Amino acid sequence: EADIYQTPRYLVIGTGKKITLECSQTMGHDKMYWYQQDPGMELHLIHYSYGVNSTEKGDLSSESTVSRIRTEHFPLTLESARPSHTSQYLCASSTRGLDEQYFGPGTRLTVT
Amino acid sequence: KNQVEQSPQSLIILEGKNCTLQCNYTVSPFSNLRWYKQDTGRGPVSLTIMTFSENTKSNGRYTATLDADTKQSSLHITASQLSDSASYICVVSDRGSTLGRLYFGRGTQLTVWP
Repeated sequence: EADIYQTPRYLVIGTGKKITLECSQTMGHDKMYWYQQDPGMELHLIHYSYGVNSTEKGDLSSESTVSRIRTEHFPLTLESARPSHTSQYLCASSTRGLDEQYFGPGTRLTVT
Repeated sequence: KNQVEQSPQSLIILEGKNCTLQCNYTVSPFSNLRWYKQDTGRGPVSLTIMTFSENTKSNGRYTATLDADTKQSSLHITASQLSDSASYICVVSDRGSTLGRLYFGRGTQLTVWP
């Protein structure tokens, strides 16, 4: 089982609040990713990082931001949550080579 | 347009039965194809990864096949168990970028009944 963790697992928050979703991995992987997944739909890449101080936007436009100050940590921040941000957010990390991605358990976010 | 299509969308089988899930893709260039199992409320877990030169790979009761010519893959589950109930996601990676871009299918929701 992969050593990648996400907190919180579930979050219900009101509109306009600032939130940070935490993701950490203990495998020493350089690459990390954030995906958004709605029920019954495919995963969409919203952010990724090649390593410390590297962050890039993914395919799906997102109002969230990320940072990568430490190799093991890749938090995602929403400055002002809105109901349209309600979704499941999955963090992943990968090795080089085949680039196999290991996923965290996800954070289920509900914005009311 | 690079796409990954899975069928069926959902499937119900009885415990102990076998089943086969399908994946068709149009991703080009092609690097590898992965099958993931995603339990409800959890992150996906890798079952198999196949490169261009591999046409079959097994992981316990799971056997994946790949036909790179027709751009089709299948995941065969043998002697299903209740714990096999999950979404099975086909993911194709291209080799066109340094990131190793992944294209995700929407998954097949498998339910195993006792």
